[in-house]
Amino acid sequence: DIQLTQSPSFLSASVGDRVTITCRASQGFGSYLAWYQQIPGKAPKLLIYAASTLQGGVPPRFSGSGSGTEFTLTISSLQPEDFATYYCQQLNNYPLTFGGGTKVEIK
Amino acid sequence: EVQLVESGGGLVQPGGSLRLSCAASGFTFSDHYMDWVRQAPRKGLEWVGRSKNKANSYTTEYAASVEGRFTISRDVSNNSLYLQMNSLKTDDTAVYYCARGRLAMDVWGQGTTVTVSS
Repeated sequence: DIQLTQSPSFLSASVGDRVTITCRASQGFGSYLAWYQQIPGKAPKLLIYAASTLQGGVPPRFSGSGSGTEFTLTISSLQPEDFATYYCQQLNNYPLTFGGGTKVEIK
Repeated sequence: EVQLVESGGGLVQPGGSLRLSCAASGFTFSDHYMDWVRQAPRKGLEWVGRSKNKANSYTTEYAASVEGRFTISRDVSNNSLYLQMNSLKTDDTAVYYCARGRLAMDVWGQGTTVTVSS
């Protein structure tokens, strides 16, 4: 199984900050990596797929990059509605796996 | 409007069974891979299993934690996805989501809660 390790697991940031979340895989795979945002009590929302492609309707302050075993999600200027938990997911191999999540809180 | 609506959750005793449903609308159901994902209380997301699309004969894949106990099926005439859960354990307590997608899960339902407790 491909294990995904997100770092940090928690971060405290201010509105306007640039935030980067890392997702490291236990083995290399293709680019079938997705990022999701989850607000408490709500279903996850797709932000990025294929490592770097922005899902329609998602603000361009979100971006993704990486390949192989290291991927990143960047929020260029954190907005109040971005305080949430973020998950990476690989869809290259079965079983599909998620990272443990990164909770972004207001400083 | 593309939409997924889950139903069928509830309270069940350990060892019991439950069937969840996911009603799809607004897209061609047979063209898409469909997944079940769960989230235990205060925990992260866990993939449960997948039904591939018609082109791939609706074949299924499962997480090791549910293989042999859970079964995913479809009723294409009703645009519905199902998750039959047998031999339930307390560890299966979670919100269960259905989601659409192959290379990413781009549409999610609102979730249905399953509680396994005596």
